[in-house]
Order: sequence, then C-alpha cells, then structure tokens
Amino acid sequence: NAGVTQTPKFRVLKTGQSMTLLCAQDMNHEYMYWYRQDPGMGLRLIHYSVGEGTTAKGEVPDGYNVSRLKKQNFLLGLESAAPSQTSVYFCASTNTPLGSYEQYFGPGTRLTVT
Amino acid sequence: RKEVEQDPGPFNVPEGATVAFNCTYSNSASQSFFWYRQDCRKEPKLLMSVYSSGNEDGRFTAQLNRASQYISLLIRDSKLSDSATYLCVVNPNTGNQFYFGTGTSLTVIP
Repeated sequence: NAGVTQTPKFRVLKTGQSMTLLCAQDMNHEYMYWYRQDPGMGLRLIHYSVGEGTTAKGEVPDGYNVSRLKKQNFLLGLESAAPSQTSVYFCASTNTPLGSYEQYFGPGTRLTVT
Repeated sequence: RKEVEQDPGPFNVPEGATVAFNCTYSNSASQSFFWYRQDCRKEPKLLMSVYSSGNEDGRFTAQLNRASQYISLLIRDSKLSDSATYLCVVNPNTGNQFYFGTGTSLTVIP
C-alpha cells in the first residue's frame, strides 16, 4: 500500500515551458486535491476533484489545469510556466471532506521556474 | 479575512516544557477541525482531529471553543522530536474544501 505518490519529485522549468505533475493514490479515495505551498502562505488549494471525471477550481486555479480520467490518478498541468509558479506542490486524497476523515498527502513536487 | 489564522511563531521551548498553540477560524458553521504536523521539507501528516468535547492523545491535547471560534493544541513534556511546524486545518462545511493556517513553527531546545 503506497498511499499517495507524486511524480516527479523535483523539476526545473524555463518560463513558458509546460509540464504535468502526476498524483496517484491506491486507497480508493473519491476526493483528490492539489495544493501549493509557499513560504509564509500555508497550503493553498489549486484544484480538486470529488470523483472520477470531475474537477473544480480552488483558491488559486489560474495558470493550472487538471484532469481526473481515472479514479486513482489526478493530473496537474502547467501550460506555460511562470516564475510565480515556483513552489512546492502537494497532492492529497480523502474518503470524504466531512467528519474527521484524514487527508493523506503525497511527498510533494518541488518546482522551480527560471 | 482569512478562513484560518495562526500565530506563525517561532516558538522556541526547552525540553520538558509545555507549549500551546491557538488557531482562529472565520466561518462559524465549520464542522471539522484538525491539527497536522509538517516536518521540514516533508508532507503534512495528521496529528489529531479536534472534537467538540476536546480530545487527548498522550502528551497532546486539542480543544475546540465554538463561541470564540478557535481551536488549540497543547503539548506537554516537549521532546526534541516535537520540533516541526503545526498546521491548523478547518473544513467550513460549505463545500468540499479544507482551509489551512500558515502553520506555527516549534523548536524544542535541549
């Protein structure tokens, strides 16, 4: 049981390049989230999904797109990277956002845009 | 106004000390509350959920004050291994999202 995995772990992009971050979970969770974490800002929600084939915008969605074609995978895309997107990206999943159900986080992807 | 606010610290305490963190939330309808722990350059991990009646897990005690809209985390007999950032997390029950505080940094000094 690997939990939540993220690939890649590190990436350096030049401004204008594109990339896709992959999140995979093996816990059969319905809900998946993409966050970014910047110093002094805490975790901010980019996009989330409440089930296969669904996505929704979070607090800071601009410049990102997502897809959830399979229940276990949640992809985050950057179409044209900008230096402001330099951050640590965390994926998380949970059974339900209600009650006291825990969010499980992946190990993070450290992205630098130059 | 931010959904969740925390004192960022840092808190530097000696081993064996008792330390308390508070976190305020803005949405009075919020139903779910959590404390997560995040070690340097690692992912957040659940420390404990916070129940209305308060709950304790070993040296850690979490409490909820709905009237004043804050939650607290008390750590007794601090250990070096408690050094980390503690994140307050709230589900405002208005959708499917969780809101995170910026975190409180704790360093336990030998």
